[in-house]
Amino acid sequence: GESVGLHLPTLSVQEGDNSIINCAYSNSASDYFIWYKQESGKGPQFIIDIRSNMDKRQGQRVTVLLNKTVKHLSLQIAATQPGDSAVYFCAEPTLGSNYKLTFGKGTLLTVNP
Amino acid sequence: SQTIHQWPATLVQPVGSPLSLECTVEGTSNPNLYWYRQAAGRGLQLLFYSVGIGQISSEVPQNLSASRPQDRQFILSSKKLLLSDSGFYLCAWSVQAPAIGELFFGEGSRLTVL
Repeated sequence: GESVGLHLPTLSVQEGDNSIINCAYSNSASDYFIWYKQESGKGPQFIIDIRSNMDKRQGQRVTVLLNKTVKHLSLQIAATQPGDSAVYFCAEPTLGSNYKLTFGKGTLLTVNP
Repeated sequence: SQTIHQWPATLVQPVGSPLSLECTVEGTSNPNLYWYRQAAGRGLQLLFYSVGIGQISSEVPQNLSASRPQDRQFILSSKKLLLSDSGFYLCAWSVQAPAIGELFFGEGSRLTVL
């Protein structure tokens, strides 16, 4: 089964608010995590990644937090914009494989104007 | 820079007809290649991956097959489509490395089987 899952399947926010998308993982040996954004009808796009030797990594308007103690990953989007509306997936290397990623089920983020 | 192309973008096929989806990668050599399927409103299901020419690993038993005739070409096929084959098919590539890293996805091919 999947080792990466999401707490909330949908999230609705007002434009300008901050968004937080959560992800739980079960493989404590995972050393790399990725967040993808998938707009409707398109392929997933890389947003940001983080290695297990870090707790936090920041990009442009996005921050990923990693809590290894409770095996929890979150993506924070600052000043959410309508263009942020999409499905967000977390992913980690598949246990026992050097070639595959395991994806979470995804969270649909809707930004209301 | 690297780019990935897959086609056709949209396909409507009758049950029992054959299928061929093609994916090519440019700007890199010896990539890992992947085919994923995504049902409506669902997550990503890995179907096949390849670490080299002629090397195909199948993840899910089904009536689909994959081939890699050239280093940067990955083809998804079926001899006879089923209704359950409908979905959004995504090709992806990654750099050959000791461990998996980022996957780069194509724009997808939407298949509707009627």
